[in-house]
Amino acid sequence: DGGITQSPKYLFRKEGQNVTLSCEQNLNHDAMYWYRQDPGQGLRLIYYSQIVNDFQKGDIAEGYSVSREKKESFPLTVTSAQKNPTAFYLCASSPGTDTGELFFGEGSRLTVL
Amino acid sequence: EDQVTQSPEALRLQEGESSSLNCSYTVSGLRGLFWYRQDPGKGPEFLFTLYSAGEEKEKERLKATLTKKESFLHITAPKPEDSATYLCAVKWVQDTGRRALTFGSGTRLQVQP
Repeated sequence: DGGITQSPKYLFRKEGQNVTLSCEQNLNHDAMYWYRQDPGQGLRLIYYSQIVNDFQKGDIAEGYSVSREKKESFPLTVTSAQKNPTAFYLCASSPGTDTGELFFGEGSRLTVL
Repeated sequence: EDQVTQSPEALRLQEGESSSLNCSYTVSGLRGLFWYRQDPGKGPEFLFTLYSAGEEKEKERLKATLTKKESFLHITAPKPEDSATYLCAVKWVQDTGRRALTFGSGTRLQVQP
C-alpha cells in the first residue's frame, strides 16, 4: 500500500539529547513536510522540501534540522537547542507544494523527561 | 490575530442530530480551503478542497461549503464513527509572494449513540 511511514510512534528523550524522527514515503511525491502539533493549536510548519537535496525553513525551524538525500526520505532531528520539544510530530507529502492536499503519516509523539 | 479560526472548539451531538462546524479566515489571496479529519493519535486525513465562494463538496454525511471569508462543514445525521477532530487549512499568498498553508486548531466532534 502506498503511504507515509513514521517511526518511532513514541519516543522519550532526556534533556540535552538529540533525537531523529524517521519519515519514509512510497507515493513518489516530490514535496515533503514536517509539522508540529500541540494541544489547542493548529499544525505548525517546521521544514519542507520541494525536491531532493533542497529544503526550506518553515515557521518554527529553530532547534530542528532536516535532510533530503533521497526522494523517499525526510528525517527530522530535534536538537537540544529546541526549548520545548515535547509534542506530536507529523510528516506529510504531496505531489508538489502548490496544494493543500497533503498525505500525512501516523505521527510520532516525543516526550522529554 | 489568528488567521484561521475554527468554532466551536468542541461539539457533542446525539446520533442523528445534524449540525455545522465553522472555519473563518482573515488572510487574503485565497488559493484553496481544505478540510481534514483527524482521529486521536493519528495523522490528519484529507476530506475536501474548495476554491471559490459558492462551491460545495459532499462525501457521505459531510458537506463542505465556502463563502468569501468562511467555510462550513455540515454533518447530516451523524453516527458515532464520525467522532473525530476536524481541521481546516487555508492556502494563501503572503506579502513575500510565498504561498503558505495555515491550519486552524480544529473542532473536536463527539457523536453519542
